[in-house]
Amino acid sequence: KNQVEQSPQSLIILEGKNCTLQCNYTVSPFSNLRWYKQDTGRGPVSLTIMTFSENTKSNGRYTATLDADTKQSSLHITASQLSDSASYICVVSDRGSTLGRLYFGRGTQLTVWP
Amino acid sequence: EADIYQTPRYLVIGTGKKITLECSQTMGHDKMYWYQQDPGMELHLIHYSYGVNSTEKGDLSSESTVSRIRTEHFPLTLESARPSHTSQYLCASSENVRKAGSSYEQYFGPGTRLTVT
Repeated sequence: KNQVEQSPQSLIILEGKNCTLQCNYTVSPFSNLRWYKQDTGRGPVSLTIMTFSENTKSNGRYTATLDADTKQSSLHITASQLSDSASYICVVSDRGSTLGRLYFGRGTQLTVWP
Repeated sequence: EADIYQTPRYLVIGTGKKITLECSQTMGHDKMYWYQQDPGMELHLIHYSYGVNSTEKGDLSSESTVSRIRTEHFPLTLESARPSHTSQYLCASSENVRKAGSSYEQYFGPGTRLTVT
């Protein structure tokens, strides 16, 4: 069964600290992996997209890694800010259909305290 | 920022009413999607469209219906709302990945928070 599991479910950190969020998946065949940031009551916004051949991608203070062999990804946030408080969702796409079906994790709820 | 819009943003309505959630995008994307999301849960695909006059049901069974008469417009309708329909509804769009140079990106609207009393 194709699944995307994220950990931790929730995380509280102090402003300025770094953190790392984890994503494990069993989706096969694999096309790409995305990390989205979703603010409360808003739609998800893309942070990074990585294909099979990419093992790291950065977007400002966000750095995503991908290990396609172990089917694991991480999202590292550097020097956190209050505005980083949001749900971070890992999404994996397969290439088994023309739709490129997306499998969503439940997200990690990050809270940054001052 | 993505040019995809949803209205209304919030809707509280009584049981049995007919409602239409609007979604429009100005990016000329062929593919459009409707997702349902409950608090703390993953997004579930309920409808999608490859283009004009194309609509398909997603993975999660839904009593809602959709139409795609124009490329930019993908409304979702509930003929008779029930409390079980209370949820957040997210619309998204993407390019047709078969086109050269297109991206895998799905762009999401801000969502409609529906409450049926």
